[in-house]
Amino acid sequence: LAKTTQPISMDSYEGQEVNITCSHNNIATNDYITWYQQFPSQGPRFIIQGYKTKVTNEVASLFIPADRKSSTLSLPRVSLSDTAVYYCLVGDSSDTGNQFYFGTGTSLTVIP
Amino acid sequence: DTAVSQTPKYLVTQMGNDKSIKCEQNLGHDTMYWYKQDSKKFLKIMFSYNNKELIINETVPNRFSPKSPDKAHLNLHINSLELGDSAVYFCASSQGTAPFYNEQFFGPGTRLTVL
Repeated sequence: LAKTTQPISMDSYEGQEVNITCSHNNIATNDYITWYQQFPSQGPRFIIQGYKTKVTNEVASLFIPADRKSSTLSLPRVSLSDTAVYYCLVGDSSDTGNQFYFGTGTSLTVIP
Repeated sequence: DTAVSQTPKYLVTQMGNDKSIKCEQNLGHDTMYWYKQDSKKFLKIMFSYNNKELIINETVPNRFSPKSPDKAHLNLHINSLELGDSAVYFCASSQGTAPFYNEQFFGPGTRLTVL
């Protein structure tokens, strides 16, 4: 089965821009790419969703290249409260039909 | 008001027992989900369900079964619990009947420990 893959962890200083990439080589044609944030002992929380090109909301941007085989979550000027695990969620096409997978998660630590 | 709630928050039980975890959403959503998060923080989709369709992840053992008494509830029943079932289980819900396409709202999780 094709998987979604992400870096296991990243560190960043406060105030910097952070880019987290998710690889999803077998993304289904009609499926969106969604990113979630999870703090310890809490359920994941929606951040942003997109299909292609670029999407921006009040907390993040999502960049998706034309082939859609990867996506990059961009967090501008991170603060200590952005320390969390970030997951991408995509659909995956295979011979047995579509399945949906969360990425392996990227643990972001923001350093003062 | 809590949007998606789960009970209990913690569940400790012996191997071989049967247990249930309850989930309720007050968002009026049409689709609900169950997820398992293991000790390595991997999030695995177990089920998605609306009033028309149950989608089961084929890797989920048939000891696990979702039960939906109405649109606002999706309970998770687990039979013959095993050590490997120890994990945090999350319930979630979303608008519409197309699973995974819309923003999901997650509950706080239920930490299951099987001894």
